[in-house]
Amino acid sequence: NAGVTQTPKFQVLKTGQSMTLQCAQDMNHNSMYWYRQDPGMGLRLIYYSASEGTTDKGEVPNGYNVSRLNKREFSLRLESAAPSQTSVYFCASSDRQGNTEAFFGQGTRLTVV
Amino acid sequence: GESVGLHLPTLSVQEGDNSIINCAYSNSASDYFIWYKQESGKGPQFIIDIRSNMDKRQGQRVTVLLNKTVKHLSLQIAATQPGDSAVYFCAENIAGSSYKLIFGSGTRLLVRP
Repeated sequence: NAGVTQTPKFQVLKTGQSMTLQCAQDMNHNSMYWYRQDPGMGLRLIYYSASEGTTDKGEVPNGYNVSRLNKREFSLRLESAAPSQTSVYFCASSDRQGNTEAFFGQGTRLTVV
Repeated sequence: GESVGLHLPTLSVQEGDNSIINCAYSNSASDYFIWYKQESGKGPQFIIDIRSNMDKRQGQRVTVLLNKTVKHLSLQIAATQPGDSAVYFCAENIAGSSYKLIFGSGTRLLVRP
């Protein structure tokens, strides 16, 4: 039982490049989330998916797009990376609609140069 | 606005002592709160949660207290151990608004041997 798996773990991009961060969970959870964490700060919600087939913006959605591919997978895409998007990205999932604990992946450390 | 914050960015305690980590929240509509522990290079891990209809909840060596009158949340760790050294985040879920958790900025707990 792997929980929440994120790939890649590390990535360096040049400004303007695009990439997709992958996330998969094997807990049959309905809700999935993408957060970013900047140094010395808490997590900020980028996008979330309350259930398969739905996605909604969080606190900091600009510059990102998401796809809920199926119940297991939720990807985050940067179409044109900017240095301000240098951060650690965490994917999470939860069983119910926000009113329960979320399980987090190990994070993707992204640097945009 | 909606916000969750912490009073102390860094807390240093002697091994064996009790630790108290505080958190203030501003949204009176929040009905669910979680404490997460984040070790270096890892994703946040669930510690304990509490719903707004409760004032206190206990786990193994941890207790969460909720004071809705002053919108204050605390995490108490009994007999603090070196393995408790980490960053601790409180998070809130606002009833009926969405599926998202809003995180505070975190408190670093350092345990002195």
